[in-house]
Amino acid sequence: DAKTTQPNSMESNEEEPVHLPCNHSTISGTDYIHWYRQLPSQGPEYVIHGLTSNVNNRMASLAIAEDRKSSTLILHRATLRDAAVYYCILRDVDDYKLSFGAGTTVTVRA
Amino acid sequence: EAGVTQFPSHSVIEKGQTVTLRCDPISGHDNLYWYRRVMGKEIKFLLHFVKESKQDESGMPNNRFLAERTGGTYSTLKVQPAELEDSGVYFCASSHQDYGYTFGSGTRLTVV
Repeated sequence: DAKTTQPNSMESNEEEPVHLPCNHSTISGTDYIHWYRQLPSQGPEYVIHGLTSNVNNRMASLAIAEDRKSSTLILHRATLRDAAVYYCILRDVDDYKLSFGAGTTVTVRA
Repeated sequence: EAGVTQFPSHSVIEKGQTVTLRCDPISGHDNLYWYRRVMGKEIKFLLHFVKESKQDESGMPNNRFLAERTGGTYSTLKVQPAELEDSGVYFCASSHQDYGYTFGSGTRLTVV
């Protein structure tokens, strides 16, 4: 499985943007970049995914580097409810498995 | 739409006993997955159903674990006999084709 590298933790103030980096230097051409998050005492929650182009949805934006070796999840205005562990995961187009790493623990200060 | 439902939410059993976890996926989702997080470790894949067929069970730890999916609807994961190292949180997820997964809240299993 292709691996990702994320910072262990990040802090943010409420209503400020959060930029979560992810490095995936060994990404292959058929790997999609997926982001999930896990709130306390809940199962993981799908956030966003992309292949080459930047993606936006109601939850977040995903910025993908031109060489695809890194990506950034952007939460535009953090709320206290966004405090969670965020996972950056590479998933091959032909493989349904998700390989979770340790993720980034995001803390949001009021 | 209703989400993925798992029950029980918590289970405490003695070593050597049998426990059955149940997962009800989102209606219409052909893909169903089981994952688990044991103490201090990362979330790991267990297996993947497509309808009633096991597509990939490469993550099942040993033959004490048996998963079934009746008629392509709900799924059960049975642990028999349970061991102390089976303690953890078991997650079920479902998806439609290649879209994002929807996870349940998990079943916390404690083996004493």
